[in-house]
Amino acid sequence: DAGITQSPRHKVTETGTPVTLRCHQTENHRYMYWYRQDPGHGLRLIHYSYGVKDTDKGEVSDGYSVSRSKTEDFLLTLESATSSQTSVYFCAISDRSGFTGELFFGEGSRLTVL
Amino acid sequence: DAKTTQPNSMESNEEEPVHLPCNHSTISGTDYIHWYRQLPSQGPEYVIHGLTSNVNNRMASLAIAEDRKSSTLILHRATLRDAAVYYCILRDDYGQNFVFGPGTRLSVLP
Repeated sequence: DAGITQSPRHKVTETGTPVTLRCHQTENHRYMYWYRQDPGHGLRLIHYSYGVKDTDKGEVSDGYSVSRSKTEDFLLTLESATSSQTSVYFCAISDRSGFTGELFFGEGSRLTVL
Repeated sequence: DAKTTQPNSMESNEEEPVHLPCNHSTISGTDYIHWYRQLPSQGPEYVIHGLTSNVNNRMASLAIAEDRKSSTLILHRATLRDAAVYYCILRDDYGQNFVFGPGTRLSVLP
């Protein structure tokens, strides 16, 4: 299994509080991704990174920011959490871009915003 | 990204072959066909991918239609552990986004 660790695995917070989810990899892969998964929507890309300090938006990036200061860590921050951000968040990594890139996923972080 | 269409759910008996269909009528020449699956309470995992020719690996086989407008993921002998949601995804060399639709929920009956 690819070495991907997400933390925390479960979090309950209140509306308006900041939340940071961490994705840590031991594979030295260049590409890292944050997805959210909601019933009826499948997985949707929030942000991704193609290198240290290189990030870009996905299809549902509003309300989220990311940072990648080291190859192994990709942080997802909700500056002011809202109930609509209650979801399961998955981090993924890949060593290649484009059509040959296989994604390896973490086990997910379940976030509940009350 | 081009879209895919899959049945919402399918059922199979244990130890029988399973054919999971995927339609992608708007596929472009540079789109690769990827399959992932998601077991309960886990993140998705890679199954197989291909471009034009049929592909085999230890997990499954991928049969791609000659016109590439459809493909079929084949599990040769379903086990209870194969019960999962299976996603068919198109990806080209330029896009970073894997678009995961609702997928097909496969149930395997003992």
